[in-house]
Amino acid sequence: GQQVMQIPQYQHVQEGEDFTTYCNSSTTLSNIQWYKQRPGGHPVFLIQLVKSGEVKKQKRLTFQFGEAKKNSSLHITATQTTDVGTYFCATVTGGGNKLTFGTGTQLKVEL
Amino acid sequence: NAGVTQTPKFQVLKTGQSMTLQCAQDMNHEYMSWYRQDPGMGLRLIHYSVGAGITDQGEVPNGYNVSRSTTEDFPLRLLSAAPSQTSVYFCASSGTGAINEQFFGPGTRLTVL
Repeated sequence: GQQVMQIPQYQHVQEGEDFTTYCNSSTTLSNIQWYKQRPGGHPVFLIQLVKSGEVKKQKRLTFQFGEAKKNSSLHITATQTTDVGTYFCATVTGGGNKLTFGTGTQLKVEL
Repeated sequence: NAGVTQTPKFQVLKTGQSMTLQCAQDMNHEYMSWYRQDPGMGLRLIHYSVGAGITDQGEVPNGYNVSRSTTEDFPLRLLSAAPSQTSVYFCASSGTGAINEQFFGPGTRLTVL
């Protein structure tokens, strides 16, 4: 089945530093979604990208979908302690909204 | 709206026992799914349903059964629990709009001894 690789697995940053996580696929993706999971919580949808080269922003978060639709990134500017959690990318595969998730990037933010 | 609810929150089983994890949603979503989450492995799809009466296998279906008799409910049954099924289980639902946002329940943390 379709696999989505996500790097890095872990990232520790000082508060105020930037953070980026990358999602890569060997095949063309129909779309990419990003979710955030706080420690002890459940995944929460952040955004969906569909178009080649698409860039979307949510406050300090910037999401990009590659021109070839094989990769995506999530960039956080000036991290805050509220950004702590695991960020997952996911792509719809097959019919019926079936999602394949990346392995996630765990972000820790130190004061 | 309660969204997606799951019960129980925590469960400890002995090897060989069976149990049902409950999942319900009140958003009239057609699509529901079950995932398990293990450290370092992300979320893996166990079973999913595209509507009442229709279910299909995901990536890791062995040892689990599902049924979808109503739009609202999608229970996951463990037939004979094994230690390898120790995990956090999430149920999710989504509608049929242009954005396939999945809404997750709070999860069930299962330990099999």
